[in-house]
Amino acid sequence: GNSVTQMEGPVTLSEEAFLTINCTYTATGYPSLFWYVQYPGEGLQLLLKATKADDKGSNKGFEATYRKETTSFHLEKGSVQVSDSAVYFCALSGSTGFQKLVFGTGTRLLVSP
Amino acid sequence: NAGVTQTPKFQVLKTGQSMTLQCAQDMNHEYMSWYRQDPGMGLRLIHYSVGAGITDQGEVPNGYNVSRSTTEDFPLRLLSAAPSQTSVYFCASSSRTSGSGREQYFGPGTRLTVT
Repeated sequence: GNSVTQMEGPVTLSEEAFLTINCTYTATGYPSLFWYVQYPGEGLQLLLKATKADDKGSNKGFEATYRKETTSFHLEKGSVQVSDSAVYFCALSGSTGFQKLVFGTGTRLLVSP
Repeated sequence: NAGVTQTPKFQVLKTGQSMTLQCAQDMNHEYMSWYRQDPGMGLRLIHYSVGAGITDQGEVPNGYNVSRSTTEDFPLRLLSAAPSQTSVYFCASSSRTSGSGREQYFGPGTRLTVT
């Protein structure tokens, strides 16, 4: 079945550092790929997505590129802020019907001033 | 626009008790779903619905019931609570017409503890 593997956290960075959170997936067909973010005490929000190979999703300075050859969708940001501290989830879905989301285990990011 | 709302925010139950977690959305979304979030396991799908009167099981449906009598509401029932159901529960909704890469909108969650 479909699955998502992402790096374990926590990831601890200083403000303005470069961020990479690795995500790889296993899926049949042509899934869509997502990064969701969960701020403390809140539900998940969509951060960015990509629906086909070589697509780059971007939002709020975060980027991720859909790499079919390496089955990866790594999240990057050039300069993190304290306000980026949150849990980040990589997820995939099929492209038809209900499009059930399959999540990775989440990576906690802690950014210190 | 309230989006997806869930009640209660927190709940403590004793083993064997039953309760209903409420979920409502005001975006006229056809699809609704329930997930549970456990440490080290991400979110797992419990049940989902593709429209009023239509529900189906997800990855971890045992011990839970759902029904969808209206587009807006999708309650989750715990029939006889067990400690293994201690978790954070999230309701989500999405639009059928969004095409591929459909965004799901999540509620703020219900933290449930079963003692």
